[in-house]
Amino acid sequence: KAGVTQTPRYLIKTRGQQVTLSCSPISGHRSVSWYQQTPGQGLQFLFEYFSETQRNKGNFPGRFSGRQFSNSRSEMNVSTLELGDSALYLCASSLQGQPGSYGYTFGSGTRLTVV
Amino acid sequence: AQSVTQLGSHVSVSEGALVLLRCNYSSSVPPYLFWYVQYPNQGLQLLLKYTTGATLVKGINGFEAEFKKSETSFHLTKPSAHMSDAAEYFCAVSDEGDNFNKFYFGSGTKLNVKP
Repeated sequence: KAGVTQTPRYLIKTRGQQVTLSCSPISGHRSVSWYQQTPGQGLQFLFEYFSETQRNKGNFPGRFSGRQFSNSRSEMNVSTLELGDSALYLCASSLQGQPGSYGYTFGSGTRLTVV
Repeated sequence: AQSVTQLGSHVSVSEGALVLLRCNYSSSVPPYLFWYVQYPNQGLQLLLKYTTGATLVKGINGFEAEFKKSETSFHLTKPSAHMSDAAEYFCAVSDEGDNFNKFYFGSGTKLNVKP
């Protein structure tokens, strides 16, 4: 069965632009989380969605937003890009409604470079 | 908020030797604990998890970890390293209360396996 699919895999954007990243969870998975991975800060939680509702949000500025659709697919948007937003953005999904106790399956990520 | 400390950003072992990767967490209540592995240019793969019950947890690829509440530790071990084990390993802990679907990750340990 297909894993967590993130598109695109690589993206180059210019400062000030906005970007939308997409995540298709494993079929049947309803919980989706997003993480940012950078060499300096490591893996940091962005947000978690379940049944189209944001349940948790990390400590990121309002430029970072997300949403989940009725088919559980999720998107995250970053507006007014800054150089520091360059990172690997990882999406993760879980079958269970409480993934904190079961763990997530991660996608391969979208590598965003801001120039 | 939780925190996770992985002692040693780089660990090098010889093929066939014991692998020991250390993880300590801060939590006022027993959390849910996870180990993930990341190969270059890929997402994170779940190795094993501790939720409740037996404190010695076995995972994939011959890895295991022991939850020690008194030491707030969850160290990862493998009796005999294989070249294919070379990767970066992340310890993660779920947050507390209503936020327990949010994970905190350690800074990672890169494992090098020498022939």
